[in-house]
Amino acid sequence: SQTIHQWPATLVQPVGSPLSLECTVEGTSNPNLYWYRQAAGRGLQLLFYSVGIGQISSEVPQNLSASRPQDRQFILSSKKLLLSDSGFYLCAWSREFYGYTFGSGTRLTVV
Amino acid sequence: AQTVTQSQPEMSVQEAETVTLSCTYDTSESNYYLFWYKQPPSRQMILVIRQEAYKQQNATENRFSVNFQKAAKSFSLKISDSQLGDTAMYFCAFMSLGGSQGNLIFGKGTKLSVKP
Repeated sequence: SQTIHQWPATLVQPVGSPLSLECTVEGTSNPNLYWYRQAAGRGLQLLFYSVGIGQISSEVPQNLSASRPQDRQFILSSKKLLLSDSGFYLCAWSREFYGYTFGSGTRLTVV
Repeated sequence: AQTVTQSQPEMSVQEAETVTLSCTYDTSESNYYLFWYKQPPSRQMILVIRQEAYKQQNATENRFSVNFQKAAKSFSLKISDSQLGDTAMYFCAFMSLGGSQGNLIFGKGTKLSVKP
């Protein structure tokens, strides 16, 4: 069966520090991968999606970036965090149009 | 661009009762998928139910069912025999079959509280 792992679960980082969130999928190949952000009391905002290794599409301009170094690995990064980067970050994968399977999320607090 | 609107920020229901959550969407496409996701306090997003736009029959999953009105672009979720464990945020989502690689567009969610 397919599983998705996302870490860390929580993170507190100072403003201006770098960020690296990792997501890996097991049990499938060539998944579509997604990073979403959920701000407090709001819906989900698509940040990045990837349909293959090295293929990244950005939906919202920001100081975040994403990379897909391996087929089932998706990384969300920042060189310098802003206060506005605080939120709940969700990774997800999909194949075709069945819908998404989400990771357990990372709660990021920038202080 | 497609949009998804959930007009009820919060709702509550008594245990064992039935509740309906509303969702409307805007699209010019004829083929697409619609979803309801549940996010309990643990924040884990869980797929509740899925509807293909080309199917006229409303999807059902145990106590969860939808009322899909394609012409009205409406996709409501009915929860029967509500249980305390149904307390969660519920998100309606739209997925186009063309264009953006199957990206899901979410509504802002409805916070459902089931009271004992």
